[in-house]
Amino acid sequence: SQQGEEDPQALSIQEGENATMNCSYKTSINNLQWYRQNSGRGLVHLILIRSNEREKHSGRLRVTLDTSKKSSSLLITASRAADTASYFCATENSGYALNFGKGTSLLVTP
Amino acid sequence: GAVVSQHPSWVICKSGTSVKIECRSLDFQATTMFWYRQFPKQSLMLMATSNEGSKATYEQGVEKDKFLINHASLTLSTLTVTSAHPEDSSFYICSATTSSADTQYFGPGTRLTVL
Repeated sequence: SQQGEEDPQALSIQEGENATMNCSYKTSINNLQWYRQNSGRGLVHLILIRSNEREKHSGRLRVTLDTSKKSSSLLITASRAADTASYFCATENSGYALNFGKGTSLLVTP
Repeated sequence: GAVVSQHPSWVICKSGTSVKIECRSLDFQATTMFWYRQFPKQSLMLMATSNEGSKATYEQGVEKDKFLINHASLTLSTLTVTSAHPEDSSFYICSATTSSADTQYFGPGTRLTVL
């Protein structure tokens, strides 16, 4: 069942600006992952944060996790036109199956 | 490493025919594979989980006789859409994982269009 909810649904920014996307979920999790999907393509795994972690960095990506609020955020710093894509959070609670959120569509204009 | 392929990348078929989609883990042995479908501008919905050598576990609302899943080896899972209808048109994505991995590796997806 789908339990992640991202907001905003759509985000439009200019190159160089930061993009922040939020994800909320409903049940306890083992970890939360963020994926990127370019239009009509497969998913690219961006970052995984475990339930006992609060913040994680990978290049221009910064992910936070607040298990008390059941929420996570993805920050992309110094955005580029190539970052234009849909971003999904996905939670794993047991058995490896992932529950995906509805996604945030990010448009970065030059 | 951890590459997953899907074949075909797109397929167009007539209503009533069956279509088989393959998902392969190219450089690792996948103990578990997952099948998702994605409608335009929507999220991925898990259809079923398959473990090598055993029957797939289907999510609620997914017809197992409609979507046949076979996970015959540690590197191959197939999804057969039987008697396809236009409402089955969608983007089908598989993923694979191992017992030691903490993430899934996704295939590039298959675009199915049923006329």
